[in-house]
Amino acid sequence: GIQVEQSPPDLILQEGANSTLRCNFSDSVNNLQWFHQNPWGQLINLFYIPSGTKQNGRLSATTVATERYSLLYISSSQTTDSGVYFCAVELRYYGNNRLAFGKGNQVVVIP
Amino acid sequence: DVKVTQSSRYLVKRTGEKVFLECVQDMDHENMFWYRQDPGLGLRLIYFSYDVKMKEKGDIPEGYSVSREKKERFSLILESASTNQTSMYLCASSPGQGIEKLFFGSGTQLSVL
Repeated sequence: GIQVEQSPPDLILQEGANSTLRCNFSDSVNNLQWFHQNPWGQLINLFYIPSGTKQNGRLSATTVATERYSLLYISSSQTTDSGVYFCAVELRYYGNNRLAFGKGNQVVVIP
Repeated sequence: DVKVTQSSRYLVKRTGEKVFLECVQDMDHENMFWYRQDPGLGLRLIYFSYDVKMKEKGDIPEGYSVSREKKERFSLILESASTNQTSMYLCASSPGQGIEKLFFGSGTQLSVL
């Protein structure tokens, strides 16, 4: 099946620093999403980004579908950015769509 | 506001027990999903459903079954719980044919002793 690889697996940031998370995928996909899981376990959708670049406040994402990767940028990081960031790719499966998740980037922002 | 509700936040069961995990969404979404999350493995799809009374196996369906008798409710059943089913279980829903936006519940941490 498709492989979804995220790097780096773990990241420690000083508050105010910038960072880039990467998601590589091994095959063509219909779409790609980024999620943030907070320390209490709640998963929130950040971006739905099949291609191009989107921005939402201090976060932005870029997907280059032809080269099979996506990047999530965190600028001026805050402690509330701590948690796990997941990349998920959308596959077409027997006429329906489903998501395959990477293993996540664990981010800790220290004050 | 969008809401996916899982019936229990923490659950402790004994080996061999039948376990029901309930998930309810109030957004009239067609699609519902059950994932389990384990450290170092990310989220893995157990079962999903695109309509009432319809179900499809995900990547790791062994030891699980599901029920979707009503559109808003998707139940995950562990017929005979085992210790290797100790995990965080996450329910999610999305509207329409695609998965443009997936909404997650807050999860159930299940411990099987």
